[in-house]
Amino acid sequence: GENVEQHPSTLSVQEGDSAVIKCTYSDSASNYFPWYKQELGKRPQLIIDIRSNVGEKKDQRIAVTLNKTAKHFSLHITETQPEDSAVYFCAVWMDSSYKLIFGSGTRLLVRP
Amino acid sequence: DADVTQTPRNRITKTGKRIMLECSQTKGHDRMYWYRQDPGLGLRLIYYSFDVKDINKGEISDGYSVSRQAQAKFSLSLESAIPNQTALYFCATRSSGGKTEAFFGQGTRLTVV
Repeated sequence: GENVEQHPSTLSVQEGDSAVIKCTYSDSASNYFPWYKQELGKRPQLIIDIRSNVGEKKDQRIAVTLNKTAKHFSLHITETQPEDSAVYFCAVWMDSSYKLIFGSGTRLLVRP
Repeated sequence: DADVTQTPRNRITKTGKRIMLECSQTKGHDRMYWYRQDPGLGLRLIYYSFDVKDINKGEISDGYSVSRQAQAKFSLSLESAIPNQTALYFCATRSSGGKTEAFFGQGTRLTVV
């Protein structure tokens, strides 16, 4: 069955430092890997995504890397700012089952 | 703006009561999902639907049922609510073609006492 593991569950960094969140998945048929950010009391919103035919994607301070062979992908946030503090979820889309399965989330705290 | 709307936003109900959470969308998406969010467990899939005739169970469907009344409406029901169904519930939609982003409703905070 599908399984997505996300680590760490909490991450505290100093403002300006980098943050890395990692996810692993089980289904090799997975082909779409989005990352969502959820601020306190709000709905999850997409911040970046990557498809299985791409190894890395960047958008300003945010980047995602994908290793299909190892079945893991990571979110990288550089030059962190206090407004980056939120819960981040990785997710995996599987064409075989049409499900969007989420990781358990990472609570990121950026200390001023 | 096209959006995903959930009602109610907050609800307190008693154990054993039947309750329905509603989701409607103006995005024109055919795929709709219900998720449950609990601290430390992320978003877990309850049910999903590809159109009004296609309903599928997710990871944690026990104790829940759904109804897809129209392409734009997808309701989640708890036939007999129990305290461990206290959680934050999200509806989401996704297009079947082209862009693959999932869009979430604002969430419904349900408390079963």
